[in-house]
Amino acid sequence: DGGITQSPKYLFRKEGQNVTLSCEQNLNHDAMYWYRQDPGQGLRLIYYSQIVNDFQKGDIAEGYSVSREKKESFPLTVTSAQKNPTAFYLCASYRGGAYNQPQHFGDGTRLSIL
Amino acid sequence: AQTVTQSQPEMSVQEAETVTLSCTYDTSESDYYLFWYKQPPSRQMILVIRQEAYKQQNATENRFSVNFQKAAKSFSLKISDSQLGDAAMYFCAYERSSGDKLTFGTGTRLAVRP
Repeated sequence: DGGITQSPKYLFRKEGQNVTLSCEQNLNHDAMYWYRQDPGQGLRLIYYSQIVNDFQKGDIAEGYSVSREKKESFPLTVTSAQKNPTAFYLCASYRGGAYNQPQHFGDGTRLSIL
Repeated sequence: AQTVTQSQPEMSVQEAETVTLSCTYDTSESDYYLFWYKQPPSRQMILVIRQEAYKQQNATENRFSVNFQKAAKSFSLKISDSQLGDAAMYFCAYERSSGDKLTFGTGTRLAVRP
């Protein structure tokens, strides 16, 4: 079955440490997105990528970095510059073109500070 | 910038009854997409219903229907014959064009009383 796989499900970060969240999709979707969800709030866009080797900052990109070397993969690195990284992170993908379908979400990664 | 407002942090409904969740948004665009997503305790984001702004007909999906008032920039969700499995956070979201970023409201937590 096609879908989006996010790993790990739970992640802990020590102070001053960079951590990377994985997002892999086998839907052959062109665009991929990273959203952050804080308690009691909706999702906010961190980064997105419409095609391989290209990505754009979203509304809250500071302290995060991404890469898009393969169509299937869009990893998110939470750097030590992100002072409040504790949140739930959701990856999404979108097919693009004339298909006009909504974004498809993964199951998320919960990141906590040790 | 587009904004989405959900003014009801919590709602409660008796099983088998009908409940309406409110959402308003702000945009200067004439064509766009609106969504309702359900987030159960598992934290998955599940698409409930999607409305294309250029379509005057309100979208329906089984027990879920919307009241889309474009001039008033209002997009409410009606859940008929509420079931215990409907208990979740519900998020209203706006998308300027297909594949663009999603802008979310802060959510409404729906409880269903047996």
